[in-house]
Amino acid sequence: DVKVTQSSRYLVKRTGEKVFLECVQDMDHENMFWYRQDPGLGLRLIYFSYDVKMKEKGDIPEGYSVSREKKERFSLILESASTNQTSMYLCASSPYNEQFFGPGTRLTVL
Amino acid sequence: KNEVEQSPQNLTAQEGEFITINCSYSVGISALHWLQQHPGGGIVSLFMLSSGKKKHGRLIATINIQEKHSSLHITASHPRDSAVYICAVKKGGATNKLIFGTGTLLAVQP
Repeated sequence: DVKVTQSSRYLVKRTGEKVFLECVQDMDHENMFWYRQDPGLGLRLIYFSYDVKMKEKGDIPEGYSVSREKKERFSLILESASTNQTSMYLCASSPYNEQFFGPGTRLTVL
Repeated sequence: KNEVEQSPQNLTAQEGEFITINCSYSVGISALHWLQQHPGGGIVSLFMLSSGKKKHGRLIATINIQEKHSSLHITASHPRDSAVYICAVKKGGATNKLIFGTGTLLAVQP
């Protein structure tokens, strides 16, 4: 079975802190994605990566950056967390068509 | 207007009822996904369709490419079917990105 893991299920941070969310997949997938999920808005793509060190902006990249130094790991970075970044963050990996999701990290920024 | 629209947004059913959730999209696609998310849980893929119909247990998914419409049916619904059901489409072309509907919250009462 494909396994996508995220570093934390719940995280509480303060405004202005730098936040790292980690995602690891064990199936050698080339494509990895970071989404945020908010009530009434569904899943929105923040960034995705189609290979090591390759990244592309999604629909809402502002306030976020990403890092993919190794194929299995895709990190989402909030350089200076703000309260409007309180959300559920979901990572996914994909060989091509189907996407496999991690359990999500619920981030609260106070 | 969203490129992927789901209806209804909320649905309450009695155990045993036949349930239909609809998804309409406005772009050319190469595949359509139905996903399930239980409260507090991660997202799992139920179906990936590019034409016709697929069945898995009590779940049936259909797609009409000409009408740009898909339906997810649940037969003999059960309280454990209570979840958010999400429709997502993969546009045609080389991109591996998905566009998501906002989800349908289903509650099946015993």
